Amino acid sequence: NAGVMQNPRHLVRRRGQEARLRCSPMKGHSHVYWYRQLPEEGLKFMVYLQKENIIDESGMPKERFSAEFPKEGPSILRIQQVVRGDSAAYFCASSPQGEWHGYTFGSGTRLTVV
Amino acid sequence: AQKVTQAQTEISVVEKEDVTLDCVYETRDTTYYLFWYKQPPSGELVFLIRRNSFDEQNEISGRYSWNFQKSTSSFNFTITASQVVDSAVYFCALRGSNFGNEKLTFGTGTRLTIIP
Repeated sequence: NAGVMQNPRHLVRRRGQEARLRCSPMKGHSHVYWYRQLPEEGLKFMVYLQKENIIDESGMPKERFSAEFPKEGPSILRIQQVVRGDSAAYFCASSPQGEWHGYTFGSGTRLTVV
Repeated sequence: AQKVTQAQTEISVVEKEDVTLDCVYETRDTTYYLFWYKQPPSGELVFLIRRNSFDEQNEISGRYSWNFQKSTSSFNFTITASQVVDSAVYFCALRGSNFGNEKLTFGTGTRLTIIP
């Protein structure tokens, strides 16, 4: 039973390019959460999705950032026109429908913007 | 609004000493969950414990123990007989139980260094 899979583990983008981060939740999990960890800081919530629905995007920057969790396939966090300040570790977590027992976090994607 | 405070930014102790990491939280929810995570130098997040607000019983797991004091809104973490492998950043986190409040609020972390 594989855990939460994130890819790529490391991503380097030049300023102005697009970054796509993928997250495959644990089998049977229908809820996905994205968190961002800036260097030397704690994790900050970005967005909470269920299949084909955004439930809470209160932590998402207003511009350039978007997230989706389609009916089929992984959840995608997309950052357009990346800037140096987007350099961070992005973590995905998943949880099952129903009674909540906790998250399972992926290993993260470390985005470096050069 | 929810808030988690980890006042200790960095702690260094000599191997085999005991060390306590502090966590103080704020929430208006009557039911909530508290967590500790470990982030070793490799960067992944390792789940250590989840505690429900209605269960104030302290917990021990090997060299780790947790002291939940609802009266002071604290959830402190103690490592007994520390080892070099305990060197990591430790995060305390809080989640409410109400619908629409599923996100985790993290503290800023405590960097623990165990000196051999």
